[in-house]
Amino acid sequence: QKEVEQNSGPLSVPEGAIASLNCTYSDRGSQSFFWYRQYSGKSPELIMFIYSNGDKEDGRFTAQLNKASQYVSLLIRDSQPSDSATYLCAVQPGGSYIPTFGRGTSLIVHP
Amino acid sequence: DTGVSQDPRHKITKRGQNVTFRCDPISEHNRLYWYRQTLGQGPEFLTYFQNEAQLEKSRLLSDRFSAERPKGSFSTLEIQRTEQGDSAMYLCASREIDFGGELFFGEGSRLTVL
Repeated sequence: QKEVEQNSGPLSVPEGAIASLNCTYSDRGSQSFFWYRQYSGKSPELIMFIYSNGDKEDGRFTAQLNKASQYVSLLIRDSQPSDSATYLCAVQPGGSYIPTFGRGTSLIVHP
Repeated sequence: DTGVSQDPRHKITKRGQNVTFRCDPISEHNRLYWYRQTLGQGPEFLTYFQNEAQLEKSRLLSDRFSAERPKGSFSTLEIQRTEQGDSAMYLCASREIDFGGELFFGEGSRLTVL
């Protein structure tokens, strides 16, 4: 069983809409959660990290963590065509230094 | 530029040849990671260094793969007797903070095995 699950998509949303990206994980001891964005042909770059249950907002991005249900999500408000990319969820167990990545969800924002 | 740099960016080799990739992390980062990524997949963990010590290696990693980080600075990843299944993007990342914190990725080294 894969440790970090993401729907590969593509998720297609119109410009200005809210994009919702989801991620589930299997290790209940996970403590650090990350969302990376990867443009085609480029390397991943961090968008947000979250450690505690609840919501964390940064500009148009909101990360949501629910440890009881073992899922983490990323909301992108007012989606722009420049947001079109693959979004990678990464999860790091407590006591481990190794983030495990999901396969990523492809997001397409069309004008 | 003080980011993570990798060399070479592209490598084409014939099956059975050895290849070596180099990674220069951000200078103050003592933690260095190698990941491998194939099309449509997320980065897959290969190995991890804290300073010069290789602390963890993926169980899935063949013994044809070896990595070093002499003096805790740059790192090399060598693949011996390459196979077509080794074709992938090899990503190096470094990090400053212990349990959390951002992984800073290099641009990657793309390997094509013919």
